[in-house]
Amino acid sequence: GQQVMQIPQYQHVQEGEDFTTYCNSSTTLSNIQWYKQRPGGHPVFLIQLVKSGEVKKQKRLTFQFGEAKKNSSLHITATQTTDVGTYFCAASSNDYKLSFGAGTTVTVRA
Amino acid sequence: NAGVTQTPKFQVLKTGQSMTLQCAQDMNHNSMYWYRQDPGMGLRLIYYSASEGTTDKGEVPNGYNVSRLNKREFSLRLESAAPSQTSVYFCASSLGPRPTNEKLFFGSGTQLSVL
Repeated sequence: GQQVMQIPQYQHVQEGEDFTTYCNSSTTLSNIQWYKQRPGGHPVFLIQLVKSGEVKKQKRLTFQFGEAKKNSSLHITATQTTDVGTYFCAASSNDYKLSFGAGTTVTVRA
Repeated sequence: NAGVTQTPKFQVLKTGQSMTLQCAQDMNHNSMYWYRQDPGMGLRLIYYSASEGTTDKGEVPNGYNVSRLNKREFSLRLESAAPSQTSVYFCASSLGPRPTNEKLFFGSGTQLSVL
């Protein structure tokens, strides 16, 4: 089935610093979604990207879909303690099933 | 609106026991899903129901059965639990009918341990 690889698996960030997490696929994707899961919580939808090269921003979060629609990134600027959690990408390639990446777990040093 | 409600929140089973995880949504969504989450493996789709009356296998369906009881409810049954089924289970729903183009709404999860 569809495979999406996320890197890094863990990200330890100093409060105030920036970081980026990546999602890569070997096949062309029809779209990609990003979810955030707080510790002990459930995944919550953040955004969906559909168009090649698309860039969307949500406050300090910037999401990008690659030109070839095979990769995506999530960049967080000025990390805060509220950013702690696991970020998942989820992708599909023209079928009815979303495949989730393994996630990037973010911890923040105050 | 409660969104997606899952019961129970925690469950401990002995190997070979059976149980049913319940899920209900009050958003009038057409599509519903069961995922399991294991450390380092993300969320893996067990079964899904694109619309009332239909169910289909996901990535890891072995050892599970599902029932789409009506538009609101989608249950997951473990007939003979095995330690490999120890996991956190999430139910989710989306408006439908093209689930991969829509955001998923997740329930709060069921932490299941099989001893």
